[in-house]
Amino acid sequence: DGGITQSPKYLFRKEGQNVTLSCEQNLNHDAMYWYRQDPGQGLRLIYYSQIVNDFQKGDIAEGYSVSREKKESFPLTVTSAQKNPTAFYLCASSTLGTGSEAFFGQGTRLTVV
Amino acid sequence: AQSVSQHNHHVILSEAASLELGCNYSYGGTVNLFWYVQYPGQHLQLLLKYFSGDPLVKGIKGFEAEFIKSKFSFNLRKPSVQWSDTAEYFCAVTPLYSGGGADGLTFGKGTHLIIQP
Repeated sequence: DGGITQSPKYLFRKEGQNVTLSCEQNLNHDAMYWYRQDPGQGLRLIYYSQIVNDFQKGDIAEGYSVSREKKESFPLTVTSAQKNPTAFYLCASSTLGTGSEAFFGQGTRLTVV
Repeated sequence: AQSVSQHNHHVILSEAASLELGCNYSYGGTVNLFWYVQYPGQHLQLLLKYFSGDPLVKGIKGFEAEFIKSKFSFNLRKPSVQWSDTAEYFCAVTPLYSGGGADGLTFGKGTHLIIQP
């Protein structure tokens, strides 16, 4: 069954701790993305990657880091430098090319206490 | 940089009413345009998209949208809504130069649609 798997669905962490969110896709897509969704704010792009071992900052990259060691995996680390980490995080993937549709995972809700 | 504005943050309609959700974008060049929907408890999924050709595009579940280049608009419409259309709707844009979205989509803030039975 093809798709994007994010884990865990819910995550709780203490303030000051780093936490890594998992994203795996079996769609053979080249591009992968991380978005943050806050109520009334829509989705904002954190990082994206078009190819293995390369990634680019999005609009709100501060306090986050990513890696792309394998085509199917794009983990996101929320570091202690992120001032307001509590949010809903969405991973997506797409092919490259005009009109490409982005496919989204179910999301991870991170709560920092 | 591009931006997207969705005019209505909350919309409440009765079943069988007609729907139009506004979306305007700002970008000087050619764009790809998308509408995504997020049903309660489900992942974000594509309703429809425009990247060239006929400016009136049809999507799933009876939705359609019209691209009006002169107005920088891509409004979503449905002639008769159902209770199951209750969801959050997002308009998104990406410059055509980016290869269709590989640089990531720019989303509007969303419209929360509630359909009353």
